[in-house]
Parts: sequence; C-alpha cells; structure tokens
Amino acid sequence: TQLLEQSPQFLSIQEGENLTVYCNSSSVFSSLQWYRQEPGEGPVLLVTVVTGGEVKKLKRLTFQFGDARKDSSLHITAAQPGDTGLYLCAGDAGNMLTFGGGTRLMVKP
Amino acid sequence: DVKVTQSSRYLVKRTGEKVFLECVQDMDHENMFWYRQDPGLGLRLIYFSYDVKMKEKGDIPEGYSVSREKKERFSLILESASTNQTSMYLCASSLKDRKLNEQYFGPGTRLTVT
Repeated sequence: TQLLEQSPQFLSIQEGENLTVYCNSSSVFSSLQWYRQEPGEGPVLLVTVVTGGEVKKLKRLTFQFGDARKDSSLHITAAQPGDTGLYLCAGDAGNMLTFGGGTRLMVKP
Repeated sequence: DVKVTQSSRYLVKRTGEKVFLECVQDMDHENMFWYRQDPGLGLRLIYFSYDVKMKEKGDIPEGYSVSREKKERFSLILESASTNQTSMYLCASSLKDRKLNEQYFGPGTRLTVT
C-alpha cells in the first residue's frame, strides 16, 4: 500500500500570514491532486499536477510537484478566513487514488 | 454543473441493522467510488466500480458490499452494522480517462451506529 504523509496535521494562523503544507511519499505517482474540504461537505478538487517539477498557481495558492513525482507542496500567500478547511493531497498510481491524512487549516480574522 | 448526490446527510442506525447508502451522479461517469473518512486517517477506499454490474475491492472492503445496477447509481451496503463502522462515508465519480483520475465527491453521509 502506498502511503502519503501530510504535514502539518493542524495549522492555526492569523489572516495575512503565509503557509506551506507538505505531502510526501516514498512512491512515485503519475499525478497528484489537491482537494479542499469544508465542514459537512465532500472534498472539492483544486488542482492536478502531472509533470515532475511542475508549478501551478490558483490565485493565492501555489502548488508544486516534486522533480521525482514523490512529493508535493501547497503554499498559500496572505491567507484569508475563507481558506479555512481540510486540505487533502491524493496520489494517482494509475488504478486508484491514495489520499493523505489531511491538513486542517484555520485562518483567524 | 457536475453533481454527485447521496441519499442521506446524517443517519443513525443500531448495531446489527442492514444499512443502505445510495449515491447518484449525473455526469455520465464510468467510475464510481465509496470511501470512508475518519479523523487523521484521510480517505480510505472501500469499493469501486468501473462499469455497470462491475465491482472491485478497495483497501478496506470487510463488512461492506456494493451494487451497481445502473451507470448513475452506486450503492454501499452494510450487511450488519457495527459500531466501528461509525464514520463519514463519501461517494465519488470520475471519467474513465485514467490519466488524470480526477474525482468528484458527494456531500457525504455521516453514519452513527449505536
């Protein structure tokens, strides 16, 4: 079973701060996805990264896929209360997705 | 707009009861999935289906079964519910294009077994 480890598990910051969430594995993935889940809802796909070293930006969110396609990071600039939620990474090994344990982010106004 | 719906948002059942969780998608997706989500454990795959009447076991199939009689509907069955099956259950669907495997999730069913 391939494992994806996310860190940190919990993060509580003030509005306007920057943060980075990490997703690490010893396995290679063909692609990696990031989802955000709000309380009482299902996860919603934010982005998919496919190529090693790829960087994708979604407004204040920057996603990077490691060169070896084993790890990824999510950086949020000037966090806002609307960014609060559970962030999940998921690696695609070709058959099904493997999800990390999630990072629960709280941004205080 | 893509949509995955689940029959109940909250469900309370007693130990030993048979439980049906229904999932419907309107995107004509071939693939459908059932996960359970527990704090700190992320999402764990219970079963998935690539086509009608087809099913494959995921990582934690014990105590569960599934049914897919129509393309848009995927049901999860707990034959005899137990307290360790108290969890959030999430259904998802995706296109058969395995290159990206981007999944669309329903809102989840929070099941409590007492």
